[in-house]
Amino acid sequence: GQSLEQPSEVTAVEGAIVQINCTYQTSGFYGLSWYQQHDGGAPTFLSYNGLDGLEETGRFSSFLSRSDSYGYLLLQELQMKDSASYFCAVTDTGRRALTFGSGTRLQVQP
Amino acid sequence: EAGVAQSPRYKIIEKRQSVAFWCNPISGHATLYWYQQILGQGPKLLIQFQNNGVVDDSQLPKDRFSAERLKGVDSTLKIQPAKLEDSAVYLCASSLRRGGKETQYFGPGTRLLVL
Repeated sequence: GQSLEQPSEVTAVEGAIVQINCTYQTSGFYGLSWYQQHDGGAPTFLSYNGLDGLEETGRFSSFLSRSDSYGYLLLQELQMKDSASYFCAVTDTGRRALTFGSGTRLQVQP
Repeated sequence: EAGVAQSPRYKIIEKRQSVAFWCNPISGHATLYWYQQILGQGPKLLIQFQNNGVVDDSQLPKDRFSAERLKGVDSTLKIQPAKLEDSAVYLCASSLRRGGKETQYFGPGTRLLVL
């Protein structure tokens, strides 16, 4: 089976940097994705790591260490609109569907 | 490019009634997924289609849930009979794989409340 762990809540102030960690257990790991979901909204894709290292997309970066079964999402220059839930999700080699973590609720304060 | 469309957006039913949800994926996306998201949790896969064939339905409660994807485009998910614990958001997603990376695009979801 697959399991993922991420913190349930994180609070930060506008302009700050926040890191959301994700550890996973899976057989046949293929990749780690991050999705953002605002209250009442649909999950939207943020970033994907198939190989070790850092992927950068604007203010968001994601990191993966396959040997440690660990990844993180880094959000820089936080804005109020970044207040949302962030999910890590793994894809295994056998199937393309995502297995999601339980999500980290990020609250950005002024 | 139009996104994933779902309807209805909201549905309230009583337990033991039946309900159906509809999804139209992004044009050209061969893979379609149905997820169930219970409040405070991450989405959980119910069923995955590749064109009009089922790839994975291992987590679909087949005694009450059914899904089909006719002609490899639109899909419907049905619950019959509904239970209280089926109250959740039902998300449809479609995906495209490019260069080994797969990105899933989610629809707005259908919020189901079972009373």
